[in-house]
Amino acid sequence: AQSVTQLDSHVSVSEGTPVLLRCNYSSSYSPSLFWYVQHPNKGLQLLLKYTSAATLVKGINGFEAEFKKSETSFHLTKPSAHMSDAAEYFCVVRYTGGFKTIFGAGTRLFVKA
Amino acid sequence: DTGVSQNPRHKITKRGQNVTFRCDPISEHNRLYWYRQTLGQGPEFLTYFQNEAQLEKSRLLSDRFSAERPKGSFSTLEIQRTEQGDSAMYLCASSLAKEATNTEAFFGQGTRLTVV
Repeated sequence: AQSVTQLDSHVSVSEGTPVLLRCNYSSSYSPSLFWYVQHPNKGLQLLLKYTSAATLVKGINGFEAEFKKSETSFHLTKPSAHMSDAAEYFCVVRYTGGFKTIFGAGTRLFVKA
Repeated sequence: DTGVSQNPRHKITKRGQNVTFRCDPISEHNRLYWYRQTLGQGPEFLTYFQNEAQLEKSRLLSDRFSAERPKGSFSTLEIQRTEQGDSAMYLCASSLAKEATNTEAFFGQGTRLTVV
């Protein structure tokens, strides 16, 4: 079955330190992978997407993610966290020819001053 | 604003009543999706339209739920005989798919339903 697993339900970092949010997906040919962010009382916003081009994908607000096929992972990173990064982050997968977008359960990022 | 628009933003209804939500996708997008999100969970797929055709429905979509996209533009999601378990955020998204290209989905801000 198609699935995506976010390995941490909560991540807490200090402002200015690196962020790592982990995501694994079930193996399939040519998935499209996305990271979305959801701030309280706001809609889901696309951070970045992987669609079989470069394996290192740069997104908005300094975030980037690396597609590793051998590990079936698509972890999200940012070198230096900002208070405004505190939000819920969703890893999302869509398989070739598919239309259904499958969400992970989400990782809530806390940023301490 | 040319994003995905959902109305109403909030709806409180009594158990047993019917409710209808509307979604206006980005104008050139031919695909439209409905998701449901409960507190602390990721969005769960409900149904999907390609133009006016409803191509898939999740098992989550019981027979009390119906969705339409009559002219391939806006869509409505109706819940009949609402139950407390229907309380959730209902999200609409749209995307453009042509030939081998399938862009990312853009989401509306959702309609929060509370059944009392």
